Amino acid sequence: GDSVTQMEGPVTLSEEAFLTINCTYTATGYPSLFWYVQYPGEGLQLLLKATKADDKGSNKGFEATYRKETTSFHLEKGSVQVSDSAVYFCALPPYGGSQGNLIFGKGTKLSVKP
Amino acid sequence: NAGVMQNPRHLVRRRGQEARLRCSPMKGHSHVYWYRQLPEEGLKFMVYLQKENIIDESGMPKERFSAEFPKEGPSILRIQQVVRGDSAAYFCASSPRDRNTEAFFGQGTRLTVV
Repeated sequence: GDSVTQMEGPVTLSEEAFLTINCTYTATGYPSLFWYVQYPGEGLQLLLKATKADDKGSNKGFEATYRKETTSFHLEKGSVQVSDSAVYFCALPPYGGSQGNLIFGKGTKLSVKP
Repeated sequence: NAGVMQNPRHLVRRRGQEARLRCSPMKGHSHVYWYRQLPEEGLKFMVYLQKENIIDESGMPKERFSAEFPKEGPSILRIQQVVRGDSAAYFCASSPRDRNTEAFFGQGTRLTVV
């Protein structure tokens, strides 16, 4: 069935470092792809999304490109800040499912040190 | 416009008791989704409801768990005869439509079974 695999954390970076969090997926068809962020003690917030191959989602300096050839949707940011410390989840809707019914990766915890 | 409201934020139950988790969707949203997040795990879909209807309960355990979304009032996730393994964070999300719309998450209810 459909699935999402994320790189395991935790990831610890210094402020202004470059961030990559890998996400690969297995899916029937070509679903939309999402990155969600969960700040400590909070619920999930949609960070960015891409709805078709080669689309690039971007928000708050984060980017991810929908790569059909490599079935990947890696999250990147050129210069992280302490406030980016959070858990990041890659997700997709299962085949035939709604966008509220999502399959999530296990999450990658990011800690940014000053 | 208030976000998705979940209460309580924290709930402690003894083994064998019942747990009731409430979720009020965003105004104008008629689609509700419940997820469970076990420690160090990603979110797992449990159930998808519209007003007075269960649309997809493929992620719900077969026993002790039930969910409803009545015509009036919040959605309720009910866990009967709780066990230690039910300890988790339970998140609710809502959306105005089924497809091609973002789902908004609440802050979650953290259930601890002692």
